[in-house]
This record gives sequence, structure tokens and C-alpha cells, in this order.
Amino acid sequence: DTGVSQNPRHKITKRGQNVTFRCDPISEHNRLYWYRQTLGQGPEFLTYFQNEAQLEKSRLLSDRFSAERPKGSFSTLEIQRTEQGDSAMYLCASSFSGDYYNEQFFGPGTRLTVL
Amino acid sequence: DAKTTQPNSMESNEEEPVHLPCNHSTISGTDYIHWYRQLPSQGPEYVIHGLTSNVNNRMASLAIAEDRKSSTLILHRATLRDAAVYYCILIRGSGDKLTFGTGTRLAVRP
Repeated sequence: DTGVSQNPRHKITKRGQNVTFRCDPISEHNRLYWYRQTLGQGPEFLTYFQNEAQLEKSRLLSDRFSAERPKGSFSTLEIQRTEQGDSAMYLCASSFSGDYYNEQFFGPGTRLTVL
Repeated sequence: DAKTTQPNSMESNEEEPVHLPCNHSTISGTDYIHWYRQLPSQGPEYVIHGLTSNVNNRMASLAIAEDRKSSTLILHRATLRDAAVYYCILIRGSGDKLTFGTGTRLAVRP
């Protein structure tokens, strides 16, 4: 399977704990995006990378959130001191900047539940 | 970002055509109209996009109004697998992030 993969698929944690999610994009894609989706809402943009450079961050991305893409391949999203409001589906997508229309390919998401 | 407006929900019978509308009255000349859909328990997937002319692909057709202030996604024969939330999104030029609204939840009756 050469699609976008995300791990873990589900994560349950207690309030105050740190969590880290991983996204592996399609191999030839140089852009990688993180989105968050709560129940009944469309996904909300969090941040995106082109290669290893983080080019944009949403105001939604508080200082408890940090994302990295150290070698321009996989990416991690870490949430420190989780809060119940962080419970959501975290989606990763990738695309190729040489594709003018920038079709984004999404992974299956990581569902986070903060107790 | 220019805003889009879609009905919250629609229903269709299996094997009948479905027309999903989207209003985008503040669209600018460089905005492309993209449609994505999200099947239950999956990430969104690209459906189709266009700028000014109507477009067809294996999944759907996109009809764009002459003034570009609205568009319609057409599924020619709905199947049960087409039950999903459909999002109409405007992207400027080569764009970057996707700005999703709440989309239209399509139910397909057997």
C-alpha cells in the first residue's frame, strides 16, 4: 500500500499526559499537512511542511502542539499536557508541489481521546 | 479565504443522479473550485476540481455557473458507496491548505 499511513490509529490518554502521532506520506510527496477534525465538523488546518520546512501554522496550534518533519519524509505531531478539548481525529495529508492543483491525499487519521 | 455555502444534508435513491450545490459568491478570479468527500471513518478524498469550464472525470462531473458564483457536483448514478460528506472548497492558484466547511451529508437509499 503506497498511501498515507498514520500511527497509532487510536490513542486514549489521561489529561495532562503527552502524546505523539506519526504520519508517513506518499513517498514522492514533498508537502505534508496536519488537520484536526471534531465530531460533526469539517477538518481544520493545523500546519504544513514543504520538505523539512514548516511553512504555515494555524492559530489553532497552541504552544502545547509541536510538529516536526526532520528529514522531509515522515512527520510527528506532539501534544503536551493534553486537555479534554484536544479529543479529536488528527488527519495527515500529503501532496506534491509540482502538481499545480495540489491534490491532497489523506491518511485514515489518529483518533485521540483524552479522559 | 472565500467562503462556500452548502446544504447540510441531501438524500438520493440508489442509481439515480445526484446534484450537490455549492454557493461561492465571493470567489475571486484565481480561485479553483475543488470537491472532496469523506466516507464514514475515513480521511477525505479528492473528487474533482475546475476553474471555469465544466469538468468530467471517472467519479463525477462539475458544472460551474457562468459567473462562477456557484457550482454543482453531479454524481450520475448514486451508489450506496457514495454516501459521504461532500465538501466544496475554494483554493487560490496552486494553493496550499484546504479550508473545509461543514459540507453536505449525502444519504443514499437502496
